[in-house]
Amino acid sequence: EVQLVESGGVVVHPGGSLRLSCAASGFTFHDYTMHWFRQAPGKGLEWLCLITHDGRATFYLDSVKARFSISRDNTKNSLYLQMNSLRTEDTGLYYCAKEKSRVIDYWGQGTLVTVSS
Amino acid sequence: EIVMTQSPASLSVSPGERATLSCRASQSVSSNLAWFQQKPGQAPRLLIHGASTRATGIPARFSGSGSGTEFTLTISSLQSEDFAVYYCHQYNSWPPGTFGQGTKVEIK
Repeated sequence: EVQLVESGGVVVHPGGSLRLSCAASGFTFHDYTMHWFRQAPGKGLEWLCLITHDGRATFYLDSVKARFSISRDNTKNSLYLQMNSLRTEDTGLYYCAKEKSRVIDYWGQGTLVTVSS
Repeated sequence: EIVMTQSPASLSVSPGERATLSCRASQSVSSNLAWFQQKPGQAPRLLIHGASTRATGIPARFSGSGSGTEFTLTISSLQSEDFAVYYCHQYNSWPPGTFGQGTKVEIK
């Protein structure tokens, strides 16, 4: 059974930094591109970034490109999202997700990030 | 950027009735269209990919159709567990693909 478990979400002040983690199991992690999405309270789904199976290529939403960094450790079956210079509008539930042939086929349960003074 | 527009924004349906949800793309996405279900407090779940292929474990009452710019998700006989928000997602333009704003299916 595929499982994706996010962690690291907390309350942080504007301008602060945070690192989210996603622990993957139930599939061959190093074979798949992985993504981060977020969902602001009461809003829809927003893609943030992806990293290819081998970590050699990454892509970002323009509005987070200079502040967020996606990475992975295939030896630990783990995905990460480093977020810097956080803004109040970054508040939301952050999901990691697995991709298969461009289809997002599994999502984690999410971790809540609150940016507030 | 391809804009995905879902209609209606919300839909009130009685259990056992049929629900029809629409999704329109601002330009052709071929059949590279997925549907997700999201219940309150839960992660999205993949229902349909390739516009019409049910994902693993998805009941046959869910069906998808369409290609190009017009797509439909049909729930043939709504069950209590089907009341949720449904999102369409195009992955023809990738990355990142784009989501519709969602259709909320409510109990009538």
